[in-house]
Amino acid sequence: DAGVTQSPTHLIKTRGQHVTLRCSPISGHKSVSWYQQVLGQGPQFIFQYYEKEERGRGNFPDRFSARQFPNYSSELNVNALLLGDSALYLCASSSPSGGYSYNEQFFGPGTRLTVL
Amino acid sequence: GQQLNQSPQSMFIQEGEDVSMNCTSSSIFNTWLWYKQEPGEGPVLLIALYKAGELTSNGRLTAQFGITRKDSFLNISASIPSDVGIYFCAGQRNNAGNMLTFGGGTRLMVKP
Repeated sequence: DAGVTQSPTHLIKTRGQHVTLRCSPISGHKSVSWYQQVLGQGPQFIFQYYEKEERGRGNFPDRFSARQFPNYSSELNVNALLLGDSALYLCASSSPSGGYSYNEQFFGPGTRLTVL
Repeated sequence: GQQLNQSPQSMFIQEGEDVSMNCTSSSIFNTWLWYKQEPGEGPVLLIALYKAGELTSNGRLTAQFGITRKDSFLNISASIPSDVGIYFCAGQRNNAGNMLTFGGGTRLMVKP
């Protein structure tokens, strides 16, 4: 079975531009989360979507937005790019189940965004 | 920014040595997780801990959930070259959905 897939793999943009990153979850997974990983740091939570609704939002400005489609794939949009937005953007999918409160998240390989 | 303090930041060890890394927090987490990330890939879950005091093993890896729920450690025994990578701790709180808070990572290098 295919894991979480993300596109594009790499992207170069200039300051002020807009970018859209895409994620396809593991088949059957209904929840998608986005994380930003700046070089040399751990990932930081941006958004979680479940059944097309936003379920959580991290401490990121309104320039960051996301949505989830009926097939559970997701897009992350970033407007008015800044140099500091350069990072690896990770998508993770999970399948909610009963029992434990935590549902294992499976991460994709990420999209490396460079803002010049 | 990061809320989990992970140490050490990096380790350079000889193959066969044991490794220990830990993570501390100023606040409580209900679940502690340990991930490994290799170049060009996303983090991969190694061990999940759900109860304070829990000690869990996965092959040569052993992790513990601290009694105070504010810390966790990961041990790797008899390291091998394929253990090279960056290890991250992560915490999750109840009613926080899938939001994970990650540590800064421990970069492990193993000399054959």
